[in-house]
Amino acid sequence: NAGVTQTPKFQVLKTGQSMTLQCAQDMNHEYMSWYRQDPGMGLRLIHYSVGAGITDQGEVPNGYNVSRSTTEDFPLRLLSAAPSQTSVYFCASSGGEFTSTDTQYFGPGTRLTVL
Amino acid sequence: GQNIDQPTEMTATEGAIVQINCTYQTSGFNGLFWYQQHAGEAPTFLSYNVLDGLEEKGRFSSFLSRSKGYSYLLLKELQMKDSASYLCAVRDIDNQAGTALIFGKGTTLSVSS
Repeated sequence: NAGVTQTPKFQVLKTGQSMTLQCAQDMNHEYMSWYRQDPGMGLRLIHYSVGAGITDQGEVPNGYNVSRSTTEDFPLRLLSAAPSQTSVYFCASSGGEFTSTDTQYFGPGTRLTVL
Repeated sequence: GQNIDQPTEMTATEGAIVQINCTYQTSGFNGLFWYQQHAGEAPTFLSYNVLDGLEEKGRFSSFLSRSKGYSYLLLKELQMKDSASYLCAVRDIDNQAGTALIFGKGTTLSVSS
């Protein structure tokens, strides 16, 4: 199993550009989520999905869109990039059940800089 | 409101024992997680507590008191490779996000020789 994969690893955008951060998992997990991590702020939830076709907003959703057409993929779209979106983005997945083993597995992250 | 607090930074020496505390206030509770994150890498799972008490896993132990909203991560026989950030996270079942985790800001541990 590859686990959770994210592409690209690094990206530089200009203000106003749009792009999609890719996330895929091969563990047949129902639950997927996107976090951003900023210095001194910890990990903050952007959007999440409890299964294919179902998505919802997290703590900081503004400026981002998501879709979940398959169980495996959960892309994050930046509609019009702003410098405030400079951050490290992590995708995570879990089985989505409330069991002791249901921890979240994180992808390697995408480091995004918006100029 | 939802709040998770942990110290920002801690330092310790090789071979020592360090305790990283975490206090939380959330609308619901269905487990507390500790993650380790090395600089430039993704968080990796360390431990999980849902009932009160101590869970031991080799050099790492985690404790939970639900009535006090308190947890700690205990690291024994510290090694240089333990220098990392340690993230406390609560699974808030009453949160709209279901199994989403609410994270503290992390504690950066520096281990010196």
